[in-house]
Amino acid sequence: DTGVSQDPRHKITKRGQNVTFRCDPISEHNRLYWYRQTLGQGPEFLTYFQNEAQLEKSRLLSDRFSAERPKGSFSTLEIQRTEQGDSAMYLCASSPGGGGWKTQYFGPGTRLLVL
Amino acid sequence: AQSVTQLDSQVPVFEEAPVELRCNYSSSVSVYLFWYVQYPNQGLQLLLKYLSGSTLVKGINGFEAEFNKSQTSFHLRKPSVHISDTAEYFCAVSDPFESGNTPLVFGKGTRLSVIA
Repeated sequence: DTGVSQDPRHKITKRGQNVTFRCDPISEHNRLYWYRQTLGQGPEFLTYFQNEAQLEKSRLLSDRFSAERPKGSFSTLEIQRTEQGDSAMYLCASSPGGGGWKTQYFGPGTRLLVL
Repeated sequence: AQSVTQLDSQVPVFEEAPVELRCNYSSSVSVYLFWYVQYPNQGLQLLLKYLSGSTLVKGINGFEAEFNKSQTSFHLRKPSVHISDTAEYFCAVSDPFESGNTPLVFGKGTRLSVIA
């Protein structure tokens, strides 16, 4: 297994621009999570996919945020009309199905800076 | 909803000394508990986990943690730290009796600084 990968690792954008992040989970992991981590805080849950279905969304996920996992493999997280408050590390995690679902494995994250 | 409290935001310790990082979670019938480590500008790496069974769990890099249900605690320990252990440590809880799609709830983290 190559682990969870995320792209890009860093993104600097101007306020009002749209950004899109990609997450590739560990092969055959059918559960995929997005979290956001701001400076000095622990990660906070944003949304969850089981295969291609988005099954849960946090109230943190405003209508400017959208996530997809079209074929049940990689996922994208898009932020429209970025605001300075969106500056954070965006983390993706995956877990396998069956009894292994309890343990989530994290990617390196995408650090977003909105100017 | 679950919550996690990490009682110390920063813990300085000399190299080769023992360390304990404290974690308390809100009460529930049953929980799964995790410790993750985050090195600067990196994602989270799983250190250890408690799912069931023995209350003393051993993880990577010589770390261990003890699940104490009566005190709702899951403290992380290492008998002798190294400079390379300098990092941010996060305690997390997952409640297995919610929808089945339950995310992890994290504490705010403890920054461990190992001093030479």
